[in-house]
Amino acid sequence: EVQLVESGGGLVQPGRSLKLSCAASGFTFSNYGMAWVCQAPTKGLEWVASISTGGGNTYYRDSVKGRFTISRDNAKNTLYLQMDSLRSEDTATYYCARVGGPFNYGSYFDYWGQGVMVTVSS
Amino acid sequence: DIQMTQSPASLSASLGETVTIECRASEDIYSNLAWYQQKPGNSPQLLIYDANSLADGVPSRFSGSGSGTQYSLKINSLQSEDVASYFCQQYNNYPPWTFGGGTKLELK
Repeated sequence: EVQLVESGGGLVQPGRSLKLSCAASGFTFSNYGMAWVCQAPTKGLEWVASISTGGGNTYYRDSVKGRFTISRDNAKNTLYLQMDSLRSEDTATYYCARVGGPFNYGSYFDYWGQGVMVTVSS
Repeated sequence: DIQMTQSPASLSASLGETVTIECRASEDIYSNLAWYQQKPGNSPQLLIYDANSLADGVPSRFSGSGSGTQYSLKINSLQSEDVASYFCQQYNNYPPWTFGGGTKLELK
């Protein structure tokens, strides 16, 4: 059974940093592209960042470029999102998602974690 | 960026009714479209991919159709467990991968 379990969320002041983790199990992690998708309270879904199987290709939405870094450790079956210079508008639930189909980072998202809340406030 | 416009934003329907949700892309996305269901308090779940392929474990009362810039999700014989928000997403032209604004489905 595919499982994605996020951790690392919480309350943080504007300008500070936070690192999210997503522990994957039930599939060969190194064969799948991965992504982070966020959802502000009572709002819709917004793609944040994606990473290829080996980590060599990364993609970011414009509003987080230069502030967020997506990475992965295939030996630990874990996906990360380093969030620096946080802003109030980054407040959201962050979901880890697997890209549908092996060796593909440009597809739909076939499995999602339960999400982790990040609140940026003074 | 490709803009995805969903309609309606909210919908109220009766048990057993057939419901249709529309999604329009700002340019041709060549059926590279997915639909997700998000029940209250839960994470999104994949329903449909490639515009009309049913994801594993999804009931057959759900179906997707469309081409070019116009797509739709149909729910036949609405059940109480279908109360949720529904989102479309394009993966033809990226980054960014973009979602529709969502449709909130409630029971009448």
